[in-house]
Amino acid sequence: EADIYQTPRYLVIGTGKKITLECSQTMGHDKMYWYQQDPGMELHLIHYSYGVNSTEKGDLSSESTVSRIRTEHFPLTLESARPSHTSQYLCASQTSGRGKNIQYFGAGTRLSVL
Amino acid sequence: QKEVEQDPGPLSVPEGAIVSLNCTYSNSAFQYFMWYRQYSRKGPELLMYTYSSGNKEDGRFTAQVDKSSKYISLFIRDSQPSDSATYLCAMPSGGSNYKLTFGKGTLLTVNP
Repeated sequence: EADIYQTPRYLVIGTGKKITLECSQTMGHDKMYWYQQDPGMELHLIHYSYGVNSTEKGDLSSESTVSRIRTEHFPLTLESARPSHTSQYLCASQTSGRGKNIQYFGAGTRLSVL
Repeated sequence: QKEVEQDPGPLSVPEGAIVSLNCTYSNSAFQYFMWYRQYSRKGPELLMYTYSSGNKEDGRFTAQVDKSSKYISLFIRDSQPSDSATYLCAMPSGGSNYKLTFGKGTLLTVNP
């Protein structure tokens, strides 16, 4: 069972607020990812990190930012939330070992911006 | 052309039915394929992992790969209401082993 945790699970917030979605993993994985998923839609990669102090933007443009100061922690921040940011945000991690490149997911944060 | 195509369904079957879920892909260099299962309001979890060279069976689940057609399938035998979920295929993305491209997912409902 994967040990990757996301908080909060649900967040309802007003427009213009700054928010941080937390993601932590205890597996020592180097690689971590943030995906955005709207209901009934596919996962879109918005950010990824291959290690400490390494972050890259994903395939889907996002106004959010990320940081990777510690291996186990990969928070996502929205400086000024807008209704268009309403979505589910999923965090994942992956080992650097050879062979199976399996991504393990957290339970997600469902964000609603009013 | 998208790297991975998956019929989003939805698919509704009676309990005990055999379910077939499918994806097509465009990159013949893909070497492995994954199926994830996602329950409502949860994150995806890995269900099956298969290399391009063969099939794999795990209990009621069988993953098949047809390299010539660039087509992968997940079969569920004796489907149960607890199998009701969205099933996503996933493959390495754009030549990288560290990024995955997911299909849109097929929503499956198994009716008791």
